[in-house]
Amino acid sequence: GENVEQHPSTLSVQEGDSAVIKCTYSDSASNYFPWYKQELGKRPQLIIDIRSNVGEKKDQRIAVTLNKTAKHFSLHITETQPEDSAVYFCAASKGFNKFYFGSGTKLNVKP
Amino acid sequence: ETGVTQSPTHLIKTRGQQVTLRCSSQSGHNTVSWYQQALGQGPQFIFQYYREEENGRGNFPPRFSGLQFPNYSSELNVNALELDDSALYLCASMTAGGETQYFGPGTRLLVL
Repeated sequence: GENVEQHPSTLSVQEGDSAVIKCTYSDSASNYFPWYKQELGKRPQLIIDIRSNVGEKKDQRIAVTLNKTAKHFSLHITETQPEDSAVYFCAASKGFNKFYFGSGTKLNVKP
Repeated sequence: ETGVTQSPTHLIKTRGQQVTLRCSSQSGHNTVSWYQQALGQGPQFIFQYYREEENGRGNFPPRFSGLQFPNYSSELNVNALELDDSALYLCASMTAGGETQYFGPGTRLLVL
């Protein structure tokens, strides 16, 4: 089955700096890559996603890039704010009937 | 907040017992997936139900089983509970052909 690896496990940045989280996947047939934000004690919430026919997608301060050849995708957060502090998960899916998650990155944005 | 709800919020069981967790999907969503999230880990896919049929399954033993009802709500049943089953169990719903999963708040299960 699919294997998704996520790095780093923890990331600490100063407010206003950028943060980058990287994921790799093993199944070249995976075609959908969502990113979720999970605050302490709360449910995961989708923040951005990308399909395999697109190389990059942006939504305000958040962007995701996908390199199908290398089988990796990354989350970029610019101008980080303290409210960005949370655990971020990447995931990969083929056909939308199975979703495989990475192990998570705890982002700490220091004021 | 999304419309996915789960019950109960917390549960304590002993090893060997059986447990049933419930999920009500968001209005208009006919696909429900279940996940196990151990502390400090990412959600692990258990299975997905679409129109009352299992539509995909992760690497979980048969003692993890499920149901989906005509109103698209769903149950997760776990038999012969083990200590390692202690985790947050999340369900997520989506529309058929859709991409976005909406998660419920989860049920925290503790097995003693």
